[in-house]
Amino acid sequence: GPKVLQIPSHQIIDMGQMVTLNCDPVSNHLYFYWYKQILGQQMEFLVNFYNGKVMEKSKLFKDQFSVERPDGSYFTLKIQPTALEDSAVYFCASSLGQSNERLFFGHGTKLSVL
Amino acid sequence: SQLAEENLWALSVHEGESVTVNCSYKTSITALQWYRQKSGEGPAQLILIRSNEREKRNGRLRATLDTSSQSSSLSITATRCEDTAVYFCATAPDSGYNKLTFGKGTVLLVSP
Repeated sequence: GPKVLQIPSHQIIDMGQMVTLNCDPVSNHLYFYWYKQILGQQMEFLVNFYNGKVMEKSKLFKDQFSVERPDGSYFTLKIQPTALEDSAVYFCASSLGQSNERLFFGHGTKLSVL
Repeated sequence: SQLAEENLWALSVHEGESVTVNCSYKTSITALQWYRQKSGEGPAQLILIRSNEREKRNGRLRATLDTSSQSSSLSITATRCEDTAVYFCATAPDSGYNKLTFGKGTVLLVSP
């Protein structure tokens, strides 16, 4: 079936550094999402993105976070600078339609901020 | 308070048995989704049930929705070891862009 690819699967960085998480969404999908999951806790919505713009973001989407998808390439989540509490697994997802649509998730990128 | 949550933290069954996971939610919805997450993977949608539906099936899976009690259930018949995973219900606001709220999940262990 359709797959969302996330690169890398694990990233370790020092606090204060910048990190970019990459996502290759399903090719014909139009809506893109990032979710955050801290170990043992529920998955939480960060942001959704459509037509080059952020449509909605949660309180977890701090000012240090940004997303983009330049020229239809990777959908990225950038954190600059990183903080210890950013350590989590970040899941990218995509969907064809806007609401009550099936989201296809990647396997996640585990971010460890030291 | 959680907008969607499963009612049990963990369940354990033997292969071949049936099992039901329950979920309650707090907001008005147009649909509720059930996802499964296996270790090391992202969630995979199992069933989407709309507010005008009472039951939806997908192979060995059956979801029910009771909008009056704001609850849903996911039943799995003839369980297999590969059904071992965390099961989530998820809801999204009536308007908006698939801003899903996930429950904490129910861990299902299916043993041989």
